[in-house]
Amino acid sequence: DGGITQSPKYLFRKEGQNVTLSCEQNLNHDAMYWYRQDPGQGLRLIYYSQIVNDFQKGDIAEGYSVSREKKESFPLTVTSAQKNPTAFYLCASSTSTDRVVNTQYFGPGTRLTVL
Amino acid sequence: GQNIDQPTEMTATEGAIVQINCTYQTSGFNGLFWYQQHAGEAPTFLSYNVLDGLEEKGRFSSFLSRSIGYSYLLLKELQMKDSASYLCAVVDSNYQLIWGAGTKLIIKP
Repeated sequence: DGGITQSPKYLFRKEGQNVTLSCEQNLNHDAMYWYRQDPGQGLRLIYYSQIVNDFQKGDIAEGYSVSREKKESFPLTVTSAQKNPTAFYLCASSTSTDRVVNTQYFGPGTRLTVL
Repeated sequence: GQNIDQPTEMTATEGAIVQINCTYQTSGFNGLFWYQQHAGEAPTFLSYNVLDGLEEKGRFSSFLSRSIGYSYLLLKELQMKDSASYLCAVVDSNYQLIWGAGTKLIIKP
């Protein structure tokens, strides 16, 4: 079955610790995205990647880092510099993003709680 | 600035029809998406409109009027499983998605 997986579903961390969220896709999509979802707000873009070994900051990249070493994988690290890390994190992918509109497909999300 | 407005919450009755509105002000327009999101789950694609008019897909239809920055999602023959949040998102001139906060739809028997 093709799709996007995120793990774990729920994650708890102590304040001051870095944490890495996993995102894997087997859809052969070039583009991948990380969003943050908070109650009462729209999805906000953290980082996106159009191709392996390249990524761009989104609207709220501060306190986050990513890597794109493989086409299938786009892990997100939430660092201790992120002031309000508790949120629902969604990973998405699409066939392309370069001046073309493509539907984004989402993973099941990871709910991160920082205590 | 860029802005997407949707009602925060709506309530409807099983078997009825509901219309969820979305108004937008963005820098450029390259289309509008509607997604459905059940609580704690991934958003799933419902529709994409780039030209004015109504697009029908089974019980769901989506309408777009670019001149007034307006779209709606129409759900017919409501079922309990339609209880979810409905997210409106506009593709701006940089081909980035701008998301509304979503409309939580509650279906009552």
